[in-house]
Amino acid sequence: GQNIDQPTEMTATEGAIVQINCTYQTSGFNGLFWYQQHAGEAPTFLSYNVLDGLEEKGRFSSFLSRSKGYSYLLLKELQMKDSASYLCAVMDSNYQLIWGAGTKLIIKP
Amino acid sequence: GAVVSQHPSRVICKSGTSVKIECRSLDFQATTMFWYRQFPKKSLMLMATSNEGSKATYEQGVEKDKFLINHASLTLSTLTVTSAHPEDSSFYICSASSRDTEAFFGQGTRLTVV
Repeated sequence: GQNIDQPTEMTATEGAIVQINCTYQTSGFNGLFWYQQHAGEAPTFLSYNVLDGLEEKGRFSSFLSRSKGYSYLLLKELQMKDSASYLCAVMDSNYQLIWGAGTKLIIKP
Repeated sequence: GAVVSQHPSRVICKSGTSVKIECRSLDFQATTMFWYRQFPKKSLMLMATSNEGSKATYEQGVEKDKFLINHASLTLSTLTVTSAHPEDSSFYICSASSRDTEAFFGQGTRLTVV
C-alpha cells in the first residue's frame, strides 16, 4: 500500500530550529510537497521537491532523498506564528496526491 | 484522522459536457470545504471556499459560472465543471474542516476533457 509517515506533534522553542521528517512509500514518485496549515484555514504551499537535495527558501528549507523515501522540512529562527500543522504530500505515478496526517508544531516562548 | 471521500477519482468527458465531483466528510461535520486545482508539478491552487448553507467565495480569476460549487449539507460539497474544455483538464482536490480544526483532504479527481 501507499503511506506517508510524519510525527504527530512536535514542540520547539521560539528562536530555535526544528526539523520535521516525512517518510513515504508510494507507487512511483512525481514530487513531494510541504504545506503549512493554521487551524480553520486552507493550507499554504511551502515547497516542492522532485530532485534530491536541499531547497532553501528564507527561514524554511526542504530536503529530499528519493532513494531513501525521505524528506524533511527545516524551520529556522522559529517564531510564534510558525505554530501550525505541517503537511507532507507525495504525488504518485498516477499523479494522485498521497497526504500525510500532518505534524502539529507547537512553539513555546 | 478524519476521512474525506472524493468521487470520482478519475473522469474522462467530452468537450462541452458537464462533470460533477463530490466531496464527502465521512465522520465529521464539515463547516468549511475548500476546492483546489493542481497543474502538474505545481502547488495546489485554491479555487474557492464554501461554508455550509452559503454561497462559495471564489478566488480571483476563477469563473464562478464555470465552476459551480454547492455545499448543501455539513457532509457534502460538489464541484461542477460546466461546459468543460480541454484546458479544464487538471487534478481537482477538496478538503474539509470543522470549526477551529485543520482541513482533511480528499484523494483528488483527475479530470481529462477530450
